[in-house]
Amino acid sequence: SQQGEEDPQALSIQEGENATMNCSYKTSINNLQWYRQNSGRGLVHLILIRSNEREKHSGRLRVTLDTSKKSSSLLITASRAADTASYFCATGSLTGGGNKLTFGTGTQLKVEL
Amino acid sequence: EAQVTQNPRYLITVTGKKLTVTCSQNMNHEYMSWYRQDPGLGLRQIYYSMNVEVTDKGDVPEGYKVSRKEKRNFPLILESPSPNQTSLYFCASTGSGRANEQFFGPGTRLTVL
Repeated sequence: SQQGEEDPQALSIQEGENATMNCSYKTSINNLQWYRQNSGRGLVHLILIRSNEREKHSGRLRVTLDTSKKSSSLLITASRAADTASYFCATGSLTGGGNKLTFGTGTQLKVEL
Repeated sequence: EAQVTQNPRYLITVTGKKLTVTCSQNMNHEYMSWYRQDPGLGLRQIYYSMNVEVTDKGDVPEGYKVSRKEKRNFPLILESPSPNQTSLYFCASTGSGRANEQFFGPGTRLTVL
């Protein structure tokens, strides 16, 4: 079952601009994570935010979580061409042995020079 | 180097011919999982394993089997592949001390003719 839905599905920006991606989900979560995937390759974990946190930073990444609205956003500041990839949100729940992640359909980000 | 490996990376086969995709991790992780990724559907969990000899169905288990005889290995078995199993498959693992952050393998692109 699909839990996270990312918005927009695709985003094209110029290098140096900020990129914002949103994720909405439906059920209660333990945490929410963002992953990056370069074309046809494995996913790489970017950042995890727990359900009792509202904002988290890691380098040029900023993640917010609003559990009342069941939504999260990922902001990439000062984007670079190397940031071109697909970005997925994944919600972590306490079912499935406490490690179940349910992924959204992703946002394709293209950063142009 | 900490990693998850999968083999083969690419496979073209015919309907009904049994195949196994291997997955191995060297991080001593308890939790391992298989996903398939299809356009527009994101990643969907096929099976997961909480530890040796403990496996359970994910969201799309039909047509697949798994086993977990050793902690490091988690093979995915397609007893009688069908064309609708053509997909990109990912294995992932998680340690018990790293709540939900999953480490992904490079992926196996399977085509069933």
